[in-house]
Amino acid sequence: AQSVSQHNHHVILSEAASLELGCNYSYGGTVNLFWYVQYPGQHLQLLLKYFSGDPLVKGIKGFEAEFIKSKFSFNLRKPSVQWSDTAEYFCAVTSNTNAGKSTFGDGTTLTVKP
Amino acid sequence: GAGVSQSPRYKVAKRGQDVALRCDPISGHVSLFWYQQALGQGPEFLTYFQNEAQLDKSGLPSDRFFAERPEGSVSTLKIQRTQQEDSAVYLCASSLEEGRSSPLHFGNGTRLTVT
Repeated sequence: AQSVSQHNHHVILSEAASLELGCNYSYGGTVNLFWYVQYPGQHLQLLLKYFSGDPLVKGIKGFEAEFIKSKFSFNLRKPSVQWSDTAEYFCAVTSNTNAGKSTFGDGTTLTVKP
Repeated sequence: GAGVSQSPRYKVAKRGQDVALRCDPISGHVSLFWYQQALGQGPEFLTYFQNEAQLDKSGLPSDRFFAERPEGSVSTLKIQRTQQEDSAVYLCASSLEEGRSSPLHFGNGTRLTVT
């Protein structure tokens, strides 16, 4: 069975600080990887996704993530966070054996102080 | 509508009552998923539909949980004889295509509280 681990449960940063949120998954086959974000009071929405090709993917609002297959990781990064990035971030994985069913991590709450 | 719509937003049920949660996916989306999200955790898979066919119900925690999507559009998640451990946010998500590469579009969820 696949699983996703997000090591940081709560991260607090000041505006303009750099961000890196960790995500590790356990599955040996072909995977697709996603980061979803949930802003306060809103629904979960897609931030970025990796299917194949360039392991460095760019998403909305200046976010990017790097797929490192050898480390089973898909860490999320942003060079300079803003107060509006305060949200909960979820990493998710799908594989070629489960018909699109996504497995989610437990999320990381990011608080950006103005 | 433009997004996935779920109703009700909040539901309080007394233990033992039956509840029905509704999901109206994005028009034309083939796949529909139900997830359960407990406080402080990520969404946990419950069941998956491709059009009207329920292809995977491996995540339903007990036979008190039942989901349907009879016409391949609106879906209903029913929980019979609710228990306190059923308290959670129930998320519905749809995706345009089948398969692992299609990202999910989520609704706002239904927060169920069983007292």
